[in-house]
Amino acid sequence: ETGVTQTPRHLVMGMTNKKSLKCEQHLGHNAMYWYKQSAKKPLELMFVYSLEERVENNSVPSRFSPECPNSSHLFLHLHTLQPEDSALYLCASSQVAGGPYEQYFGPGTRLTVT
Amino acid sequence: AQTVTQSQPEMSVQEAETVTLSCTYDTSENNYYLFWYKQPPSRQMILVIRQEAYKQQNATENRFSVNFQKAAKSFSLKISDSQLGDTAMYFCAFKSRLSGAGSYQLTFGKGTKLSVIP
Repeated sequence: ETGVTQTPRHLVMGMTNKKSLKCEQHLGHNAMYWYKQSAKKPLELMFVYSLEERVENNSVPSRFSPECPNSSHLFLHLHTLQPEDSALYLCASSQVAGGPYEQYFGPGTRLTVT
Repeated sequence: AQTVTQSQPEMSVQEAETVTLSCTYDTSENNYYLFWYKQPPSRQMILVIRQEAYKQQNATENRFSVNFQKAAKSFSLKISDSQLGDTAMYFCAFKSRLSGAGSYQLTFGKGTKLSVIP
């Protein structure tokens, strides 16, 4: 596969479950991002990783835990989520974290918390 | 903090016509980057066009062009000869050019839903 892939594409979980979202980029990029996209709200940046090091964490609740084991893979571990966490979670990558480089987005994981 | 405003939640245009999507932003910086992204229904978000604030010339990419008015902090997107495949959500985004953690962040507007009508 090319570009940025995300699995699963859809996820329904209860508030007490633990699950993980996976993102993989096949572009040789050094920066990866997690965004939350909710209806009628702007995309919210959650985390930024540059060269596998977390460089930004935008006041995200601790029930979201990112992991970047290498520059090609990014995970978002979820536990004890709330219904308001239901959203589309987008992963993106870019050549480097700063500068004019565009971000390439994955298709997203549609998360529903029941 | 930077903010990006897209004042048109929804727009429609006839196929082959021209449409302009509005975007304004607020920043105290002099150099920065601006982007338009497109998110088709159930498909991945992709970059449409990019503008660097220090460049006076408006960016163009085939049927897509921008009207960048730096003093007015306005960055509108013009789509010429609209096609059915242009139907999508369009997001305007701002990125700081400063070094450091703040430069990693794209600040997005809420988006404009564009429908191209056959």
